[in-house]
Amino acid sequence: QQKVQQSPESLIVPEGGMASLNCTSSDRNVDYFWWYRQHSGKSPKMLMSIFSNGEKEEGRFTVHLNKASLHTSLHIRDSQPSDSALYLCAAARSNTNKVVFGTGTRLQVLP
Amino acid sequence: EAAVTQSPRNKVAVTGGKVTLSCNQTNNHNNMYWYRQDTGHGLRLIHYSYGAGSTEKGDIPDGYKASRPSQENFSLILELATPSQTSVYFCASGDVGGRHEQYFGPGTRLTVL
Repeated sequence: QQKVQQSPESLIVPEGGMASLNCTSSDRNVDYFWWYRQHSGKSPKMLMSIFSNGEKEEGRFTVHLNKASLHTSLHIRDSQPSDSALYLCAAARSNTNKVVFGTGTRLQVLP
Repeated sequence: EAAVTQSPRNKVAVTGGKVTLSCNQTNNHNNMYWYRQDTGHGLRLIHYSYGAGSTEKGDIPDGYKASRPSQENFSLILELATPSQTSVYFCASGDVGGRHEQYFGPGTRLTVL
């Protein structure tokens, strides 16, 4: 059964700091990765997706993907208190609609 | 914006009772999913569907059934609820093809006493 491992489990950064989150899939055939963000008491919402090796930047958020190591990372620069949330990594194969989620990294940004 | 609704939002059930959680989407997405979320476990896939009339087992299907009577509706059924099924349940929809994101409903908090 495919697993998605995330680290760290929790992370505290000061306002304005950089947060770095990691995610690795155990499935050698995984093709797609997403990062979802879930604020407390709310439902998950897709933050960024990455399907090819390399880097993708959207505003303060940057994702990296290394398909050879099945590893993706999310970096948040100039972190804001509103970034405090549970960040979920998800992965899927191209030939299936089944998506597997990790257990998440809980980020707290302190003012 | 894609819309997924769930009902009820909160439910208290008794052990051994039958519970039905409902999900409706207006996105015209073929795929729908049921997850449960527990602290320390992230989102775990219970059942999913590729379209009306189809259901597939996810990673933790035991104790749950699913029904997809139409494109818009996907239900999760607990025939004999147990306290271990106390959790927050999320429904999601997504378009075909692995690249598409999932859109989640607001969640249902289920407590089985």
